[in-house]
Amino acid sequence: QSALTQPRSVSGSPGQSVTISCTGTSSDVGDYNYVSWYQQHPGKAPKLMIYDVSKRPSGVPDRFSGSKSGNTASLTISGLQAEDEADYYCCSYAGSYTWVFGGGTKLTVL
Amino acid sequence: EVQLVESGGGLVQPGGSLRLSCAASGFTFSSYSMNWVRQTPGKGLEWVSYISSSSSSIYYADSVKGRFTISRDNAKNSLYLQMNSLRAEDTAVYYCARAAALHFDYWGQGTLVTVSS
Repeated sequence: QSALTQPRSVSGSPGQSVTISCTGTSSDVGDYNYVSWYQQHPGKAPKLMIYDVSKRPSGVPDRFSGSKSGNTASLTISGLQAEDEADYYCCSYAGSYTWVFGGGTKLTVL
Repeated sequence: EVQLVESGGGLVQPGGSLRLSCAASGFTFSSYSMNWVRQTPGKGLEWVSYISSSSSSIYYADSVKGRFTISRDNAKNSLYLQMNSLRAEDTAVYYCARAAALHFDYWGQGTLVTVSS
């Protein structure tokens, strides 16, 4: 299983919106609606932000949204806030109880 | 409150073995599948292994198959990862993560494994 492809970094100013892409294949992202996104601050554990492509766990602000088209999933963060600065990882179910992660995207809030 | 606490990491020589543990609390451990996910220093996340709630289904990433063994003790609310024939590329922070359907809803703080001579 090859890692999903994410941009190494994205940036935006407070209040703006940013979108992080996550490209896989027809064997993972394209085949299952089980894409999840995780936020990780330095030295901390990953935190679930989006699951099943577009669902938000309780407590995650609605500024975070997810979508998918074909083999590419996307995470959009609107109304950027300073505390959103972190690394973001996408993950896709790949069948037979295996998963593949993206390489991670560093979000900088300018 | 869901808590997952890993332990057992440390420095080990190439070819050596290590056993990681994950102590779970705040939920009915025996009702959930569990996973190990690792993160290499400065790099991304890699799923390592999955075990179903009853241990009836177990899966591994190709990179660790035949060398790592996942197990659990529902009576002790604990998850384990036995790691044998360790290589330098196994150096990582190892997280245990609870599976909620087909995603990971809670993660521990991780334990660092360093494979070096």
